[in-house]
Amino acid sequence: NAGVTQTPKFRVLKTGQSMTLLCAQDMNHEYMYWYRQDPGMGLRLIHYSVGEGTTAKGEVPDGYNVSRLKKQNFLLGLESAAPSQTSVYFCASSYYGQRETQYFGPGTRLLVL
Amino acid sequence: AQSVTQLGSHVSVSEGALVLLRCNYSSSVPPYLFWYVQYPNQGLQLLLKYTTGATLVKGINGFEAEFKKSETSFHLTNPSAHMSDAAEYFCAVSSGTYKYIFGTGTRLKVLA
Repeated sequence: NAGVTQTPKFRVLKTGQSMTLLCAQDMNHEYMYWYRQDPGMGLRLIHYSVGEGTTAKGEVPDGYNVSRLKKQNFLLGLESAAPSQTSVYFCASSYYGQRETQYFGPGTRLLVL
Repeated sequence: AQSVTQLGSHVSVSEGALVLLRCNYSSSVPPYLFWYVQYPNQGLQLLLKYTTGATLVKGINGFEAEFKKSETSFHLTNPSAHMSDAAEYFCAVSSGTYKYIFGTGTRLKVLA
């Protein structure tokens, strides 16, 4: 099992550009999450999904959109990137029977110039 | 509302010394508590968790944590630090659902 994988690992964007981050998990987990990690602030939840076709806002959703068309994939989109979105993005997943335990991907480092 | 406070953003210990990383939480419901470790340029890895039952929880690599309800604490300890323990450690709280609240992290440095 690969667990939770994220692509790309690193990306540089110019202000106003758009991009999509892909998260994939092969553990058949129902729940998936997107977090951002900023220095001195820990991890903050952007959006999450409790199942295929459903998404919900987390703590810091502004400027991001998500989609969960397939159970194994959770996409995070930036429509018009801003320097404030420079961060490390982590995807995580958990399953219904033990939903309090999340498994994290390796992260995507995004720099917006 | 739930919150997590990690005291000390940076902690340095000598190799072989005791490691103590502090975590205090607030929660209006019985909490689930977690410690995650993040090695450089990697994702978060679960070290240990408290859900119910025994309040002293043992994790990987010799780490353990004790849930103290009266003190609203979940401090992480390791009796003997190794160079390989150098990483950033995050405490998190959950109400038992899928939503976590993370602390701001403590970076552990191990001195030779």
